[in-house]
Amino acid sequence: ETGVTQSPTHLIKTRGQQVTLRCSSQSGHNTVSWYQQALGQGPQFIFQYYREEENGRGNFPPRFSGLQFPNYSSELNVNALELDDSALYLCASSPGGLAGGPLGNEQFFGPGTRLTVL
Amino acid sequence: GDSVTQMEGPVTLSEEAFLTINCTYTATGYPSLFWYVQYPGEGLQLLLKATKADDKGSNKGFEATYRKETTSFHLEKGSVQVSDSAVYFCALSGAGGYQKVTFGTGTKLQVIP
Repeated sequence: ETGVTQSPTHLIKTRGQQVTLRCSSQSGHNTVSWYQQALGQGPQFIFQYYREEENGRGNFPPRFSGLQFPNYSSELNVNALELDDSALYLCASSPGGLAGGPLGNEQFFGPGTRLTVL
Repeated sequence: GDSVTQMEGPVTLSEEAFLTINCTYTATGYPSLFWYVQYPGEGLQLLLKATKADDKGSNKGFEATYRKETTSFHLEKGSVQVSDSAVYFCALSGAGGYQKVTFGTGTKLQVIP
């Protein structure tokens, strides 16, 4: 069983640019969530996709957007990059199910993409 | 909203010492509770979980018990090893319509020989 994979591993951008991060979910998982982890902090929820639709969003501005594809892989797009966007971006997949439950609530994380904005 | 509070680090222990990392939470309903571990330069790994009151999660010698009366989920290990050095995150996932995970700020553990 292949776990959650993310690409690229590291990325350096300059302020004002746009970036796309990619995530492949674990086999059999239809729900993908994205998190931002600033240095020395816990991950913060950005948004979640369930069956290609946004299913919930955290306190992030609209320049953070996403997509989920029919194979349940996902992209995170960030426009107009700011210095504070420098962070580790984590993708997590889960078996899904609207009401959660023991399996639905467990999320499996990828290794992350380290984004540096200069 | 949901929140998780865990003890601040860093925590420095000698090898074979007893470990406790405190974690309390605020949530509506009956959340699932988790401990995740993050080794240097890596992503998050699920260490253990508990999905209902009085459940005990355990893995690799670590344990935590879901205490609804005190809204706590403290992590314990009887004898730590140098290889346990990492950052530990307490987290919860609510029973609501989507499965957002809310994390604490993390506790860095350093185990010295």
